[in-house]
Amino acid sequence: GNSVTQMEGPVTLSEEAFLTINCTYTATGYPSLFWYVQYPGEGLQLLLKATKADDKGSNKGFEATYRKETTSFHLEKGSVQVSDSAVYFCALSKGNYGGATNKLIFGTGTLLAVQP
Amino acid sequence: GAGVSQSPSNKVTEKGKDVELRCDPISGHTALYWYRQSLGQGLEFLIYFQGNSAPDKSGLPSDRFSAERTGGSVSTLTIQRTQQEDSAVYLCASSPTAGGTLAKNIQYFGAGTRLSVL
Repeated sequence: GNSVTQMEGPVTLSEEAFLTINCTYTATGYPSLFWYVQYPGEGLQLLLKATKADDKGSNKGFEATYRKETTSFHLEKGSVQVSDSAVYFCALSKGNYGGATNKLIFGTGTLLAVQP
Repeated sequence: GAGVSQSPSNKVTEKGKDVELRCDPISGHTALYWYRQSLGQGLEFLIYFQGNSAPDKSGLPSDRFSAERTGGSVSTLTIQRTQQEDSAVYLCASSPTAGGTLAKNIQYFGAGTRLSVL
C-alpha cells in the first residue's frame, strides 16, 4: 500500500543552523508530495508541494525536491529561526487518478525545536 | 467563513457516551475530509465527502463511527459508545474539489477537536 516514512524527532537545532528532515514514500504511480507544518496550538498548514519528479517545492526558505529515483522528498532550510519550531509532516496524495479520493497519507511527524 | 471551523475545540466525555463533532468547511469547497491524530497512530484518514456523498469511508475504524454532510456544507462526525482509544484530535479539511489541477484540491485544515474519553 501507499505509505510515508519520515525521520524520528525531536530535532533540536540552534538558530541559523541547517535543517534536513528526511522523508521517503512508497506508492504506485505518480503521487503528489507535500510538507505540512503544525505550529503550537494551531492547525495543519500546507508548507510546500510538488506534483512530479524533479519538481522543487519552496516556501518561507524551506525547499524539498521530488526524487522519484530514491522515492524521497526531504525538507531542507539553510538557516532556521526560533519561529520555525513546529511539527513537520510529510504526506502524499494519489489525487483522483484511478478512482483515488485525494486523501492524504501522512508520515508520523517530526518535532523541530530551534533554540536561540 | 475565512477558514475551516471546527467545534467544539475540546470535548471531554465519559466512556460509553456518544459525541458529535462539527466541521464548517470553507464556503464553496465541495470536498471535505476527516482525519484523526493520535499518539499511537499518527495522522489517519477517516472519511471523504464529495458534496453530500461519502465515496470513501475506508478509514472509519469501527461501526461506532459515522459521519454525514448536509447541504454540501457542514459535516458532523459522530462517535457512539465512546472508548478510551477514541481519545485523539479530530481534524477536518476541505478543498475546492478533489480532482482537476492540484491547485483545486489542496486541503485546508481546521484547528481540530481534541476529544478526551475518561
